[in-house]
Amino acid sequence: GQNIDQPTEMTATEGAIVQINCTYQTSGFNGLFWYQQHAGEAPTFLSYNVLDGLEEKGRFSSFLSRSKGYSYLLLKELQMKDSASYLCAVTDSNYQLIWGAGTKLIIKP
Amino acid sequence: IAGITQAPTSQILAAGRRMTLRCTQDMRHNAMYWYRQDLGLGLRLIHYSNTAGTTGKGEVPDGYSVSRANTDDFPLTLASAVPSQTSVYFCASSDSSVVTDTQYFGPGTRLTVL
Repeated sequence: GQNIDQPTEMTATEGAIVQINCTYQTSGFNGLFWYQQHAGEAPTFLSYNVLDGLEEKGRFSSFLSRSKGYSYLLLKELQMKDSASYLCAVTDSNYQLIWGAGTKLIIKP
Repeated sequence: IAGITQAPTSQILAAGRRMTLRCTQDMRHNAMYWYRQDLGLGLRLIHYSNTAGTTGKGEVPDGYSVSRANTDDFPLTLASAVPSQTSVYFCASSDSSVVTDTQYFGPGTRLTVL
């Protein structure tokens, strides 16, 4: 079966760095997305990786290793507004988008 | 620019009733999607439409129907609601039907079926 695993919840301190991991087992691979979702709101796009390596976008970076079925989202200089859920999603060989359950990130002052 | 709007914002519905969730986008996107989001589970695709006039079934289509009469609107209908359909429903759109395109989400409809 197809599966995406993310930690359910993480806690970090304002100003620090946090890494949210995502591992996947899917029938094929055509790219990986990260979305941010604040409580009670819609998911919003953060990043897309299709090749191995690190993509940096301001305070957020996303890494992909296709051979390991692994990605992480790195958030630097954490701010209180970064408290949200972070969703990992993978497109499989049928171009179906498979979503993880999300990681709830709690930022403490 | 509104993006994607959904109505109603929330609804409490008696089991057995018919309900239509509305979704409208003003981005002229070709593809649209309906998802449900339940606690502890990832977003699950209910139905999708690659372009006006066409629709397809997603992962959990049973009990739901959709139509795509034009580019902007993509309503989701529950013919006879059941308590297991209690969920938050998100409509999304993307410029094309290529799944590598970014999807943009509406604000969601919180539905409770009693």
